Amino acid sequence: QQQVKQSPQSLIVQKGGISIINCAYENTAFDYFPWYQQFPGKGPALLIAIRPDVSEKKEGRFTISFNKSAKQFSLHIMDSQPGDSATYFCAASSGGYQKVTFGTGTKLQVIP
Amino acid sequence: EAQVTQNPRYLITVTGKKLTVTCSQNMNHEYMSWYRQDPGLGLRQIYYSMNVEVTDKGDVPEGYKVSRKEKRNFPLILESPSPNQTSLYFCASGRPQETQYFGPGTRLLVL
Repeated sequence: QQQVKQSPQSLIVQKGGISIINCAYENTAFDYFPWYQQFPGKGPALLIAIRPDVSEKKEGRFTISFNKSAKQFSLHIMDSQPGDSATYFCAASSGGYQKVTFGTGTKLQVIP
Repeated sequence: EAQVTQNPRYLITVTGKKLTVTCSQNMNHEYMSWYRQDPGLGLRQIYYSMNVEVTDKGDVPEGYKVSRKEKRNFPLILESPSPNQTSLYFCASGRPQETQYFGPGTRLLVL
C-alpha cells in the first residue's frame, strides 16, 4: 500500500534549468512533509520541509509547493547544478514523527 | 560531532543465523527509527521508538525485532534472516517535527 506516490522515477535536467519532483498522498492526517536528498553511499539528509498551514516554503534554490485540497506537494530546484545530482525522496508523517511514509524516490541527473 | 552510527556497515550472512545491527546516536534524541531501502521501493519504515521502552511497528516489521533499553541505542535484530531481508538498512534519530538524522547505512546480504 503506497500512501505517498512520487514521480518521476528519474529526471535529467540541464545545468541552470528547473527540476520539478511531485508527490501525492492519501492520508489526510499527515501534517509534516519533508524532502530528503541522498547521495550514493550516504544516508538521506533533510533538504527542506513544510507543514500544511502554508502553501509554499523557499530555502535558497529549493522550494516546496503544497496543495492541501489536491493532497499534493512538489519540490522545485531552481538553477539546477551538477552538484544537485542525487536521489530525492518525499515523505509524510503525522503527530510528530511516529510512522513515516516515504515516496519511492527520484534520481536526478543535472548535465552540464 | 553530532551523529548516528551503525555497525556493521557491511554484512554477509546465511539464512537462519541470528544477527544484530547496532545503532547509536549522541544527540539525546527521543525518537529513533529503522528503515530498509530497496530499489524501486524507496525507504520503508521497519520499527520506530518514541522513547526508552516505547517501540512500535512501521510498515514492514515482519522478521525484525528491536529494543530501546537506553536512549542512545536502538539495535535491530533479525532472529532468523531470510534472503528477502537482503537490503540496505538505515537508522535515524530526531525530535518530533524536526530533522531526522540518518546513519550511514548497513548493507546486508543474506545467502
